[in-house]
Amino acid sequence: QKEVEQDPGPLSVPEGAIVSLNCTYSNSAFQYFMWYRQYSRKGPELLMYTYSSGNKEDGRFTAQVDKSSKYISLFIRDSQPSDSATYLCAMKGAGNNRKLIWGLGTSLAVNP
Amino acid sequence: GAVVSQHPSRVICKSGTSVKIECRSLDFQATTMFWYRQFPKQSLMLMATSNEGSKATYEQGVEKDKFLINHASLTLSTLTVTSAHPEDSSFYICSADLGGGSGNTIYFGEGSWLTVV
Repeated sequence: QKEVEQDPGPLSVPEGAIVSLNCTYSNSAFQYFMWYRQYSRKGPELLMYTYSSGNKEDGRFTAQVDKSSKYISLFIRDSQPSDSATYLCAMKGAGNNRKLIWGLGTSLAVNP
Repeated sequence: GAVVSQHPSRVICKSGTSVKIECRSLDFQATTMFWYRQFPKQSLMLMATSNEGSKATYEQGVEKDKFLINHASLTLSTLTVTSAHPEDSSFYICSADLGGGSGNTIYFGEGSWLTVV
């Protein structure tokens, strides 16, 4: 079993739809949870960051972490064609272990 | 946010030659840098963790003699692919850690496409 599971998709939605992306994980030591957006042939860009459980909102994006279920989500409201990208979840434990553990990434296409 | 510059963005080299990729943190000092490899439609695969002034820590299965990593200063790490072969063709990405250990302090370069012909 991988430490982080993420459905690679692809996911195709119409413009304006609410998009739900999620990851599950097995290591209860993870404390920091990130969502990265990666456009084709580019490096990943940090989109959302959450520490421990809870919700975080930034514009059209909402990140949720449920540590009891070992489940994290990213919601995109009013999706735009410019949101078309691969979304990768990543997480890490506390302390000096700085290695990120990555999901496979979900490919999202928002159709105009 | 912090900027990480990676160069070259694209490189084509002949089989058997070596190629160097640079990763620079432009406006901060990074004690730790990471090198990843990414195949098409796959996630990032960590190759090694590079700490300034010390030897890199390689992930299992990564040949340290083939992928030479040097972290000579707090703002520069280099990855040299030695005796490159077509199977080394890939997207290589570096990231630099601003510090603090929380996870929101890791910034990525734009990546380097390596094609070995």
